[in-house]
Amino acid sequence: SQELEQSPQSLIVQEGKNLTINCTSSKTLYGLYWYKQKYGEGLIFLMMLQKGGEEKSHEKITAKLDEKKQQSSLHITASQPSHAGIYLCGARNQAGTALIFGKGTTLSVSS
Amino acid sequence: DAGITQSPRYKITETGRQVTLMCHQTWSHSYMFWYRQDLGHGLRLIYYSAAADITDKGEVSDGYVVSRSKTENFPLTLESATRSQTSVYFCASSGFPRTANTEAFFGQGTRLTVV
Repeated sequence: SQELEQSPQSLIVQEGKNLTINCTSSKTLYGLYWYKQKYGEGLIFLMMLQKGGEEKSHEKITAKLDEKKQQSSLHITASQPSHAGIYLCGARNQAGTALIFGKGTTLSVSS
Repeated sequence: DAGITQSPRYKITETGRQVTLMCHQTWSHSYMFWYRQDLGHGLRLIYYSAAADITDKGEVSDGYVVSRSKTENFPLTLESATRSQTSVYFCASSGFPRTANTEAFFGQGTRLTVV
């Protein structure tokens, strides 16, 4: 079965600093999703990547899917306290039916 | 209001009791999912459904039962609750995969405690 590994597990950065979160799949990715979760709340969709080499940005968050479609990165520029939370990557299986997630990366931003 | 709603938000039950968590979505999404979230394990898939009357097991389906008689509802039943099923449960729905906008939308979660 497919597994998604996220790194790092947790991250503490100073406000204004840049950071990157990685998501590596054990199999080819057929749609990679990035979500953010505030502690105790539901997941909020950030971005979806499908094509190898694809890159998307929303405000100060950029996500990329590598050419081989087995790894994605999420980059936050000039982090703010509002960026704090748990970031999860998710992926569909090859049939497109199941949607699985990595264990998440907990981000803390100190002011 | 359009969206996906879970009920109850909080539930305490005793070991051995049957408990059902409800999930309702108003988008007519074909796909629905149930996950549990635990510290150290992340979000794990329990069951998913591609359409009414079609369900499949996920990674951690033992002890759980689902049904989907209507597209909009996807209840999750713990047949005989155990303490290891204490968790936060999330329901999600999505459109047909590999088409535009196939992201999953999540409910606010149900925090279940089994005592």
